[in-house]
Amino acid sequence: KQEVTQIPAALSVPEGENLVLNCSFTDSAIYNLQWFRQDPGKGLTSLLLIQSSQREQTSGRLNASLDKSSGRSTLYIAASQPGDSATYLCAVPQSGGYQKVTFGTGTKLQVIP
Amino acid sequence: EAGVAQSPRYKIIEKRQSVAFWCNPISGHATLYWYQQILGQGPKLLIQFQNNGVVDDSQLPKDRFSAERLKGVDSTLKIQPAKLEDSAVYLCASSLVGRVAGVYEQYFGPGTRLTVT
Repeated sequence: KQEVTQIPAALSVPEGENLVLNCSFTDSAIYNLQWFRQDPGKGLTSLLLIQSSQREQTSGRLNASLDKSSGRSTLYIAASQPGDSATYLCAVPQSGGYQKVTFGTGTKLQVIP
Repeated sequence: EAGVAQSPRYKIIEKRQSVAFWCNPISGHATLYWYQQILGQGPKLLIQFQNNGVVDDSQLPKDRFSAERLKGVDSTLKIQPAKLEDSAVYLCASSLVGRVAGVYEQYFGPGTRLTVT
């Protein structure tokens, strides 16, 4: 059974700082990994999807990396802004599952102006 | 492109009452998911449909929860009778089947926040 852990659970940084969010998973036999953002009281917004054949994926100020062998992914946010404040979740397919996914518990980010 | 629609957005009921949630996925998305997200936790998959067939419902409490997907499009999730621990946000998501097996991207609706008192 796939288990996904996100550290830290919460993070508070001053505006403009670069930061890294971590996601660890126990079963490395994955097809891909997806990072989501969730604003309070709202659904999830997809940020980046990294295929298992990729090592990195970039979108604007966001960069996600994937190391399957070590069971880790990181989400790098450059020059953080108050609008980045949200909960960030990673999701990976469950082993043996057909498009099933296990979510981490998330990292709650607060960017202070 | 219209996103995943869900209704209602909020619902407050007393324990032992019943409640139903509705989801309309993105047009053309064959796969539909219902998740339960308890405060402070990541979403937990309750049931997954491929067209109108169930792919996985291993974490669905079948004694009180039921779901159906009519004609492979809209879906309803029902709870009867509700318990206090069912208080959560219920999220619906949909996805295409990718060109390569296992390749997918899920799109989420805004969720329904259920409070059971």
